[in-house]
Amino acid sequence: GAVVSQHPSRVICKSGTSVKIECRSLDFQATTMFWYRQFPKKSLMLMATSNEGSKATYEQGVEKDKFLINHASLTLSTLTVTSAHPEDSSFYICSAMVSYNEQFFGPGTRLTVL
Amino acid sequence: EDQVTQSPEALRLQEGESSSLNCSYTVSGLRGLFWYRQDPGKGPEFLFTLYSAGEEKEKERLKATLTKKESFLHITAPKPEDSATYLCAVQASKAAGNKLTFGGGTRVLVKP
Repeated sequence: GAVVSQHPSRVICKSGTSVKIECRSLDFQATTMFWYRQFPKKSLMLMATSNEGSKATYEQGVEKDKFLINHASLTLSTLTVTSAHPEDSSFYICSAMVSYNEQFFGPGTRLTVL
Repeated sequence: EDQVTQSPEALRLQEGESSSLNCSYTVSGLRGLFWYRQDPGKGPEFLFTLYSAGEEKEKERLKATLTKKESFLHITAPKPEDSATYLCAVQASKAAGNKLTFGGGTRVLVKP
């Protein structure tokens, strides 16, 4: 199956700093990637859809200026959490579309904001 | 609005005790229904895609079925390594950006 990687797998930062998370499709090109957030024992909440070469589409209630998404190439999308605060601590997962109806997920990034 | 409800929330099984997980959905035209497995601290792992009522797919001890209102994931003679959270998601035919709507998941624990 298609392989999606995320980096870093775990990050701890101080409140007020910005954190960048990378999502890469390793063996295929993905024009569309998705970013999700997951709280403990909860399901995945879609944050935004990232399209290569265009602006991301954010879900209702997700702050665009807080969660900056860049999809500069067909294999890389980045999520930057700006001025992170403890309430931003969560498990962030990306996925990449292999075809119009198939998504493969990355291993996730655990963000802890102190 | 598309909705997905999974039941039960949690399931404890003895090794070898078969059971079924339910995924009920309401969607404006189903393009596909997806099952994923998620282990703690990891991303979801793709299991199946079902497209139309009556369709069935199997993989080892897992079998997924689909009707017009729900999907079942049957676990036959489970082993401890089948312990995980199983997620169901739907993609509507008119879904903007092909996005998925996920259910809350069913946490399965298989005891030896």
